[in-house]
Amino acid sequence: AQSVTQLGSHVSVSEGALVLLRCNYSSSVPPYLFWYVQYPNQGLQLLLKYTTGATLVKGINGFEAEFKKSETSFHLTKPSAHMSDAAEYFCAVSDGEGGATNKLIFGTGTLLAVQP
Amino acid sequence: GAVVSQHPSRVICKSGTSVKIECRSLDFQATTMFWYRQFPKQSLMLMATSNEGSKATYEQGVEKDKFLINHASLTLSTLTVTSAHPEDSSFYICSARVDGTYEQYFGPGTRLTVT
Repeated sequence: AQSVTQLGSHVSVSEGALVLLRCNYSSSVPPYLFWYVQYPNQGLQLLLKYTTGATLVKGINGFEAEFKKSETSFHLTKPSAHMSDAAEYFCAVSDGEGGATNKLIFGTGTLLAVQP
Repeated sequence: GAVVSQHPSRVICKSGTSVKIECRSLDFQATTMFWYRQFPKQSLMLMATSNEGSKATYEQGVEKDKFLINHASLTLSTLTVTSAHPEDSSFYICSARVDGTYEQYFGPGTRLTVT
């Protein structure tokens, strides 16, 4: 079975500071990993994804994440936070291409606050 | 591209009535769609996988007779909450998987309030 753990349900940073949101996964098959962002009362928007190949993936809005198999991690980072980055962030794992269902399993989310 | 819409965005209904929520993929075909439920300040919980032309696959603990799913075309899936009760009040989100890929795109969600 697959699972995702997001450490820190709330993270607060100052505008311009580094953003680091943590995600660890558990999977018995090579995982596909995703980060989504959700603004209040809206659906989810894909920030970035890892499937195969390069382990450092870049996404929209200046975010990037690195897949580290040895640490079973997929942490999300952004060098400089912007006020508009304040939102809920979800890490998700699926069983990848050829997997039984490609269902997404979500972490519990991290609410990012950006202080002026 | 890859836009998913949901209708309605917000609905209030009386206890005991049924509510239908539509999920459409606007510019791509989606044989498979997913329905999620999200409680306030919580994560998304997968309710069911909707497959065009066949019965939906429900996750453990989800009542298939209460949450009816119909995936009648390659661009439309509907979720009907039957005999709704206040505990069914939630944010319902659908996603659609682009045929031939692993990528899912999410709708904007539907806020259901049962009074």
